[in-house]
Amino acid sequence: NAGVTQTPKFQVLKTGQSMTLQCAQDMNHEYMSWYRQDPGMGLRLIHYSVGAGITDQGEVPNGYNVSRSTTEDFPLRLLSAAPSQTSVYFCASRASGGAKGIQYFGAGTRLSVL
Amino acid sequence: GQNIDQPTEMTATEGAIVQINCTYQTSGFNGLFWYQQHAGEAPTFLSYNVLDGLEEKGRFSSFLSRSKGYSYLLLKELQMKDSASYLCAVRAPAGGYQKVTFGIGTKLQVIP
Repeated sequence: NAGVTQTPKFQVLKTGQSMTLQCAQDMNHEYMSWYRQDPGMGLRLIHYSVGAGITDQGEVPNGYNVSRSTTEDFPLRLLSAAPSQTSVYFCASRASGGAKGIQYFGAGTRLSVL
Repeated sequence: GQNIDQPTEMTATEGAIVQINCTYQTSGFNGLFWYQQHAGEAPTFLSYNVLDGLEEKGRFSSFLSRSKGYSYLLLKELQMKDSASYLCAVRAPAGGYQKVTFGIGTKLQVIP
């Protein structure tokens, strides 16, 4: 059972470059989210999706785009990378039903923007 | 808005008991989570409270008081592998979505 799979695990970009962080889950979860984690800041929500074709902005959406064409995949696009986007990015998924709504996280992508 | 406070760092001795506190101020409330995150790894679910009281799961317990906006995570019989960050997170309704807001995490160091 793979759970939530993120690729790549590490990435170095130059300022102005674009790239896509991949996220896939095999648990048939409706909800998927992207977070960034910075020292002293905790996990901050970038974008989220409540189902295929539906996405919305979180706390820190600027500079990022998302799409959700299938239940399984939720890629995060950096349009023009900036040093302020150096961070660890986590993708998470959870079921829409059930009282707990436990989130399952991918292993993370460590991104450095030079 | 949402505000979650927890201590930044704590140190405890192997075999001892440690309590990690979390206070929150949120618009609405629909559950509180504790996640464990080892260095360089993803957060993993530890516990969930939605009603007042204590939830026990092996060496780990979590307590919630909704009227005080307060929770704690209690770790008993500490082991070296418990050295990790512990994230407090609160779920609250935001439009048609249940938004989860995370605290900055408490880095726990267990020493021999």
